[in-house]
Amino acid sequence: AQKITQTQPGMFVQEKEAVTLDCTYDTSDPSYGLFWYKQPSSGEMIFLIYQGSYDQQNATEGRYSLNFQKARKSANLVISASQLGDSAMYFCAMREWDSGYALNFGKGTSLLVTP
Amino acid sequence: GAGVSQTPSNKVTEKGKYVELRCDPISGHTALYWYRQSLGQGPEFLIYFQGTGAADDSGLPNDRFFAVRPEGSVSTLKIQRTERGDSAVYLCASSSVSGANVLTFGAGSRLTVL
Repeated sequence: AQKITQTQPGMFVQEKEAVTLDCTYDTSDPSYGLFWYKQPSSGEMIFLIYQGSYDQQNATEGRYSLNFQKARKSANLVISASQLGDSAMYFCAMREWDSGYALNFGKGTSLLVTP
Repeated sequence: GAGVSQTPSNKVTEKGKYVELRCDPISGHTALYWYRQSLGQGPEFLIYFQGTGAADDSGLPNDRFFAVRPEGSVSTLKIQRTERGDSAVYLCASSSVSGANVLTFGAGSRLTVL
């Protein structure tokens, strides 16, 4: 069964606008972590933001914030004030602490920022 | 080193040949991971090392795939009798074992099997 679902294969946003990339997850483990990575065309995976399942506050890192809705099992990434350099693939991932150290990734969302 | 280094960056081989892909993790990171990323997909977990030992190799697709990390630093992913379906980007990542265990990835090794 797919543990991470990203339903948006591709998204467009205009420069300086905000965009939300969706991610839902499936786990019965009470302890887990959610991650977002960016993969530009160069191919390297770049860590953006992390949310732990017990964290009370939504995570924020600069222009990135994570809209964590635990009951809905969703962990959407919000990018504010989009820049042309934000154009890339974005992957949501989860680690279930009782299941080992493997990160399970979704299929990704391709984001294109237009001028 | 400053980041995770992977060599070669590109490897083209013929079906049936043996290949080795190397990963040099961030200095001091005891955890090392191999992932495989096929075109249009997210990375798929292969194997995880804690120190010298493979703590989780549940993602290795079959016995043609093997990985070692003999001194707890550099790791080599070995693929025997390559098949066209093995063509993918092989990503290596390392992490410390504290906190959120954020993985830092290398740029990957692109393997093409003709």
